[in-house]
Amino acid sequence: AQSVTQPDIHITVSEGASLELRCNYSYGATPYLFWYVQSPGQGLQLLLKYFSGDTLVQGIKGFEAEFKRSQSSFNLRKPSVHWSDAAEYFCAVAFNNNDMRFGAGTRLTVKP
Amino acid sequence: DTGVSQNPRHKITKRGQNVTFRCDPISEHNRLYWYRQTLGQGPEFLTYFQNEAQLEKSRLLSDRFSAERPKGSFSTLEIQRTEQGDSAMYLCAGVRGQNTEAFFGQGTRLTVV
Repeated sequence: AQSVTQPDIHITVSEGASLELRCNYSYGATPYLFWYVQSPGQGLQLLLKYFSGDTLVQGIKGFEAEFKRSQSSFNLRKPSVHWSDAAEYFCAVAFNNNDMRFGAGTRLTVKP
Repeated sequence: DTGVSQNPRHKITKRGQNVTFRCDPISEHNRLYWYRQTLGQGPEFLTYFQNEAQLEKSRLLSDRFSAERPKGSFSTLEIQRTEQGDSAMYLCAGVRGQNTEAFFGQGTRLTVV
């Protein structure tokens, strides 16, 4: 069955430390891949997306993600986390160009 | 600002009442999606429109739920005979053309008491 998995429910990092949020998908072909961020009381904001081409994609707010076909993964990274990055992060995949599925999310806490 | 607005932002209703939410995407959003999000979960797909045609409905969308997009612009989501389990955030997203990037509204939070 098609699925999106974010293995980490909650991650805590210190401000200035590096961050990696994991995302794995299960599908027969390569879907479109996205990372969204949701701050409390706010809507979902797109951080970055992968459709094809270069497997390392750059997004807003200093985030990047790398698509690894062999691992069916699309992990989100940031070299130095800021306190304002504390939020819920969702990985999403679009399997057939008209149906986007989301992972359960990873909540990021940033320690001062 | 994603250009997608949802009203109301919050709705409290008694169990058994009907509620209707509205989503206004921008005119270029030919595709429109409804999602439901409960606490601690990612958004779950409910239904999707291509212009005014409703092309897909999730099994989550019981017969108490109905959605419309009469002129291919704004959309409404109605829940009849609400139940406590319907309490959630209802999100609307617009997609422009063939670009699969979705722009989300801020959602309508429904509380059924």
